[in-house]
Amino acid sequence: NAGVTQTPKFQVLKTGQSMTLQCAQDMNHNSMYWYRQDPGMGLRLIYYSASEGTTDKGEVPNGYNVSRLNKREFSLRLESAAPSQTSVYFCASSSRTGPGGNTQYFGPGTRLTVL
Amino acid sequence: AQSVTQPDIHITVSEGASLELRCNYSYGATPYLFWYVQSPGQGLQLLLKYFSGDTLVQGIKGFEAEFKRSQSSFNLRKPSVHWSDAAEYFCAVGAEDSSYKLIFGSGTRLLVRP
Repeated sequence: NAGVTQTPKFQVLKTGQSMTLQCAQDMNHNSMYWYRQDPGMGLRLIYYSASEGTTDKGEVPNGYNVSRLNKREFSLRLESAAPSQTSVYFCASSSRTGPGGNTQYFGPGTRLTVL
Repeated sequence: AQSVTQPDIHITVSEGASLELRCNYSYGATPYLFWYVQSPGQGLQLLLKYFSGDTLVQGIKGFEAEFKRSQSSFNLRKPSVHWSDAAEYFCAVGAEDSSYKLIFGSGTRLLVRP
C-alpha cells in the first residue's frame, strides 16, 4: 500500500500560470482533503470532499478549485497562480466510517513556489 | 467556534530528558483527539489518537498522551527524548459537526540538544 501519493513534489510557477496538483489514495477512503501549510500558521483546510461526487470549501478556498475525479483521486487546481499561493500543499484522506473515521492520513506534500 | 491551542511554539530539551507538549481544546462533547508529527520536509504522521475508554493512550515511537476532560487537555509525553524526535508536533480535534474534519493546532517545534 502506497497510502496517499501526491505529484509533483516540487513546482515553480510564474505569476498567472496555472497548474493542477494531483492526489491519490489506495486505502478505499471516502473523504479527501487539501491543506496548505505556511510558517507559523499550521495547517489550513482549502477544500475537502466528504465522499465521491461532493466537494466543500474549507477555511481558505479563494484562488483554488478542486475535482474529485473518482473515489481514489482528488485534484487541486490553481487557475492563475499568485505569489501568496507559495506554500506547501498536503493532501489527506480518511475513511469517514465509525469511530476513528476521521483519522486522516497524509501525503508527502508538494512544495510550490510562485514567482 | 472549536479551537485547539498549543501554547508552546518552540521547546528545547536535552537528549535523554523527559518531554511534555501541551494541547488544549474547546469541544462540547467527548472529543476525538489526535497527535501528529512532522519531520523536516515530510508529511504528517499519526502518533496516537483518543476516541474513548482509557484516558492514557499509547502511540508509536514511545509517545503517550493523557486525556483530561476537566482540563480540556490532551498533553503528549515521552519519558526519554532521542535526537530523532526533533520535529514539529500537531494536536488536532475532530470537528463537532458531521463533516469529519479535523481542527489543528498551530504546532510545537521540538529541538533536541545533544
